[in-house]
Amino acid sequence: QLQLQESGPGLVKPSETLSLTCTVSGGSISSNNYYWAWIRQPPGKGLEWIGSIYYSGSTYYDPSLKSRVTISVDTSQNQFSLKLSSVSAADTAVYYCARLGIAVAGSRYFDLWGRGTLVTVSS
Amino acid sequence: QSVLTQPPSVSGAPGQRVTISCTGSSSNIGAGYDVHWYQQLPGTAPKLLIYGNSNRPSGVPDRFSGSKSGTSASLAITGLQAEDEADYYCQSYDSSLSGYVFGTGTEVTVL
Repeated sequence: QLQLQESGPGLVKPSETLSLTCTVSGGSISSNNYYWAWIRQPPGKGLEWIGSIYYSGSTYYDPSLKSRVTISVDTSQNQFSLKLSSVSAADTAVYYCARLGIAVAGSRYFDLWGRGTLVTVSS
Repeated sequence: QSVLTQPPSVSGAPGQRVTISCTGSSSNIGAGYDVHWYQQLPGTAPKLLIYGNSNRPSGVPDRFSGSKSGTSASLAITGLQAEDEADYYCQSYDSSLSGYVFGTGTEVTVL
């Protein structure tokens, strides 16, 4: 059974770079048709898609975060990673990694999620 | 930035039927993009509940159903149970933003 697990520092200083890794187990990150994604949820608030990546390295990002976000993939380690630069308190959130499945009609949805990891931005 | 609007909360007694609306626009739901729904139990990660407007993943009870019409979609829960207390989010794709968008979220309370 495929599982996703986020890892990384739980505390980041303002203006620094947030770095998280998602390890995929029980299956290959190189599976055709699946993209991989990062989503965040500020405390007490809703969900926000950050960006997605295919195993080939093709990426697309939320326009409002695009200038600060880099998502990369390491197929040899079955992992993908998130880097968010110049963070502020507004970036404090639970960060989830997820798999993007595909429906028959071609639309995509997040069919598997990691448990999430809380990242606090504070000095 | 949530471009899909949901009611903040809905409630119902055990056994009742509740519905949650998800209102979008011509660049997302109205453009024909599918709507998907997630259930987030307290303190846990979201879980896929409905995909492709009305399809249930394996293991999701048939008490949950989804529909879509025009620029809106709805999630219905029939035979409401205490275990259904959770936050529910709709999700679609937005062509203006070129990305995935979530609804504002709805808290379901079982009275």
